[in-house]
Formats: sequence, structure tokens, C-alpha cells
Amino acid sequence: EAGVTQSPTHLIKTRGQQVTLRCSPISGHTSVYWYQQALGLGLQFLLWYDEGEERNRGNFPPRFSGRQFPNYSSELNVNALELEDSALYLCASSSDRFTQYFGPGTRLTVL
Amino acid sequence: KNEVEQSPQNLTAQEGEFITINCSYSVGISALHWLQQHPGGGIVSLFMLSSGKKKHGRLIATINIQEKHSSLHITASHPRDSAVYICAVNTGNQFYFGTGTSLTVIP
Repeated sequence: EAGVTQSPTHLIKTRGQQVTLRCSPISGHTSVYWYQQALGLGLQFLLWYDEGEERNRGNFPPRFSGRQFPNYSSELNVNALELEDSALYLCASSSDRFTQYFGPGTRLTVL
Repeated sequence: KNEVEQSPQNLTAQEGEFITINCSYSVGISALHWLQQHPGGGIVSLFMLSSGKKKHGRLIATINIQEKHSSLHITASHPRDSAVYICAVNTGNQFYFGTGTSLTVIP
């Protein structure tokens, strides 16, 4: 069974640009979670999608947004990139809202 | 104050030693998770607990709901156990994470 996949693996952008990160959950999983792990900081919850709807979001500004598609894959969009957005962005999927399976992450560098 | 506190932040052990990592939380939870993150970022879910104790190989996780505390134990530690161990709690709506314990096991 394929695990959670994320693309791209690495990304370099400049301040003010926009970025889209993608996540494909494990087949059959309807929930997708997005997390940010900035250098030296712990994981921070970003967004939770379930059955195509945004169920909850963490304490992040509105320029962080996303969506979940009918096939349960998900995108995370970040507008007006700032230097402090440089981080590892992790996606996880779940079928029961309890056990999460993490993807390998996308490492975003903002210059 | 963080919802999840872990200790210690860093831990160095000799191969074979018994290791304990602690996690305390301040919110009501539906489940607690222990995660392992290797260099490069990959995260593996080790345990999900809502009560009692779970064992998988050399890893043991316990939780005391009344005291809002969990421990992760590693018996007969090995250099391949070197990683960051993260405690996370699920409140039903959101996940909160500890800042992690960086473990280095020296041969």
C-alpha cells in the first residue's frame, strides 16, 4: 500500500511569491492534516481537511490556505511568502481522526 | 505556556541503556501519540494511547490520564534509535505537539 506522498520535496522561493504544496493521502483516508515545522521549532498544526471540508485551522494568518479535492488529495497554498515561512511542511492522512500517517514533507526555503 | 511539554530536550545515552522520555499536557485529550522523526524529516508514528500501556519491540509507552502524563521508554537502546521523539495530543479538533526530545545513542 502506498504511503502519503508530497510534492515537491524541495522548493526555493523569494519573498512575496506564492507557493502551492501538494499531498496525496493513503488510499481510503478521508482526512488530511497540514503541519509546519520551522527550524528549531516543534510541529505546528496548520489545517485539517476531512471529506472535502476545512474542519479546523491553527493559529496562522489567512495567507495560509488550502483545499481538499474529491479524491481527498490536498493542496496547501501560501501567499505573499515571508522569510519566516521557511520550514518543513508535513502532510498526514487519517481514516479515523486518531492515527496519522505522515508524508516525507516539503522543505520550503524563502530567500 | 505550551499545551504539551516534553523532557528532557536532549538526551545522550550509551548503547544498551534504558531511556525514558516524559510528556505532560494541559488539555483534555482523546488520544496521545508518540512520534519518531529521523534526520531529514521523515516522521513515523510509534504509538497511539488513550489509556494504560503499549509495547512494541523495545519500545514501551504509558499514559496516566488523571495526571496528564505519558512516558516513552526504550529498553536496550541502540544507535539506530537516535532520532527526535515527539509527543502529540489529539483534543478531537486539533493536534498539539511537544518540541521534541533529541536522542543520541552512542555505540
